[in-house]
Amino acid sequence: DAGITQSPRYKITETGRQVTLMCHQTWSHSYMFWYRQDLGHGLRLIYYSAAADITDKGEVPDGYVVSRSKTENFPLTLESATRSQTSVYFCASSGPGYEQYFGPGTRLTVT
Amino acid sequence: GQQLNQSPQSMFIQEGEDVSMNCTSSSIFNTWLWYKQDPGEGPVLLIALYKAGELTSNGRLTAQFGITRKDSFLNISASIPSDVGIYFCAGQLSGGSNYKLTFGKGTLLTVNP
Repeated sequence: DAGITQSPRYKITETGRQVTLMCHQTWSHSYMFWYRQDLGHGLRLIYYSAAADITDKGEVPDGYVVSRSKTENFPLTLESATRSQTSVYFCASSGPGYEQYFGPGTRLTVT
Repeated sequence: GQQLNQSPQSMFIQEGEDVSMNCTSSSIFNTWLWYKQDPGEGPVLLIALYKAGELTSNGRLTAQFGITRKDSFLNISASIPSDVGIYFCAGQLSGGSNYKLTFGKGTLLTVNP
């Protein structure tokens, strides 16, 4: 199906483990974004990418790494997960306009 | 960072009632967007606004881009139970770059059947 997908939808991991969240979009949008959503904080931008091989930090990048070797994929890696990274993670993409289209989210729990 | 003040934080209404919510800022925005998020899902774009004073409708939803470019309003008419969810405003800041959006913290809407 066309659109933006995220995997896995749910993930439980242990402190210190590396975990990668996947994001895939079929619109060939140039821009892609990673957000985390926490109660009391709303949506906070972690990283974004303007095109393949171009990425930049957002508001809360510490502890996260991104890459974008292909336009359609934008994986987010937690190099050494911490409990404070327990959150719901959303990927989004945007094309020629400023409208962002969100994926269904990944609920990550770090124990 | 830049903040959007979204109000009210939550609303509890009866089915059939009209609803109004708004976002304000001390800064000027070029674009205003309104999203709805259902439980366990990602935000879904409802309405996009591009010009000061613009009034746009999407079914029972109507949104306006404030004339000062510092605020936006969303109205829902004749609410129904499936309107339940969190409504977010988002804006693209004038002078901002790289297609980043600033988000409000959301209005939680509960509709009593």
